[in-house]
Order: sequence, then structure tokens, then C-alpha cells
Amino acid sequence: DVKVTQSSRYLVKRTGEKVFLECVQDMDHENMFWYRQDPGLGLRLIYFSYDVKMKEKGDIPEGYSVSREKKERFSLILESASTNQTSMYLCAGRSRGGAEQYFGPGTRLTVT
Amino acid sequence: GESVGLHLPTLSVQEGDNSIINCAYSNSASDYFIWYKQESGKGPQFIIDIRSNMDKRQGQRVTVLLNKTVKHLSLQIAATQPGDSAVYFCAEKSGNNRLAFGKGNQVVVIP
Repeated sequence: DVKVTQSSRYLVKRTGEKVFLECVQDMDHENMFWYRQDPGLGLRLIYFSYDVKMKEKGDIPEGYSVSREKKERFSLILESASTNQTSMYLCAGRSRGGAEQYFGPGTRLTVT
Repeated sequence: GESVGLHLPTLSVQEGDNSIINCAYSNSASDYFIWYKQESGKGPQFIIDIRSNMDKRQGQRVTVLLNKTVKHLSLQIAATQPGDSAVYFCAEKSGNNRLAFGKGNQVVVIP
């Protein structure tokens, strides 16, 4: 069974805090993705990575950064959390030749 | 917490009936499509996929139909069960190798 895990299921942070969301996959996938999911808006791509130390901006990268130091781990960083970053964050992995993305369980982040 | 199912079109189905969920996609160049299921509090889970050179594909209790002429995708669930209650959304892959996701449909199964 393929597995994508995320470090926290629920997280509450204060405005201005630096937040790290961690994602680990055991599928040896080259590609990893971070999305946020909001009611009525669907999944929106924040950043993705197609290899170690490589990253590409998605559709809504503002206010976020990422880190991919190892193949299995892709971190999403909120440098200074704001209330409009309250959301469900989903990580996914995909093999180089594949199209299907495998998702983690999600982290519900609340910024107060 | 706020549910991903809020603000979505909702299909209420009697247990045992068939469900049909529809999706209109935007890019006529998309060559691959996926249906995902997302239960409350969980990440999206792959259900079935179809390539653009096909118009129908069947899985276990599910069938996906693709109509490229009108850019329409549908998911049919046979003999809907309570465990099928979830948000269903389609995704299309186009040339940049990224997936574009639909907003989803909430399916509620009435026992």
C-alpha cells in the first residue's frame, strides 16, 4: 500500500508564527505537491517539487515556501501565519511517469 | 472543523439506488482524467481513471464515462451504500503534467 503521511492532523497557530507542515511519502516518488482546500474553492496548488532540492510555484504560492532536502520529505512553510491561511492542507506524491496523485490525510490548520 | 462538503452541489441517493455524478472539464487537450472520493476528515482517495482515447471504463461498482465532444465526465456508482457518502471530484491532466481539480459534489446516502 502506498502511503503519504502528514505530521499533524490538526494544528492551531497564532498570527505571525512560523509554521512547518511536514509530508513524508514511502513510494519513492519524484514528484510531491502541496495543496490547500477551502469550501467552495476546491484544491488549489501551492507548490510542487519534481526532484530533491527542486521546487516550482503553483497557483497560489504567496505567503508560503517549501523545502525538499530528501526525496521522501516535502515541507510547507508559512513564514508568518495569517488568518487567511486557515485551511485544510493536503500533500500528494506522484511517480515521474505517472499521472495519479496519492494524497495524505490532510492537516487542518487554524490561525487565530 | 468546517467540512469540505459545504457549499457544494449535493446528491441525495437512497441506499441501493445508482448514483451519477457529473463533471464538466475545461481543457479539450486534457488526456487523462481521475475521479477521487473524499470522506469527511480524510484526504482524497483514487477511485478510477480514464484516458482520453477511451469513452468508458468500469471498476468495482463504478463506471466512468467520458464525452470529449462536450467535455463531460461522469461517475456512476451502482447499488449505492452508506459508505459511499463522501465528496467526489474529478481531475484532468493536461500538457503541463499538473492536475486541475473540480470543486466536487457531495453525495449523501439515505439508509
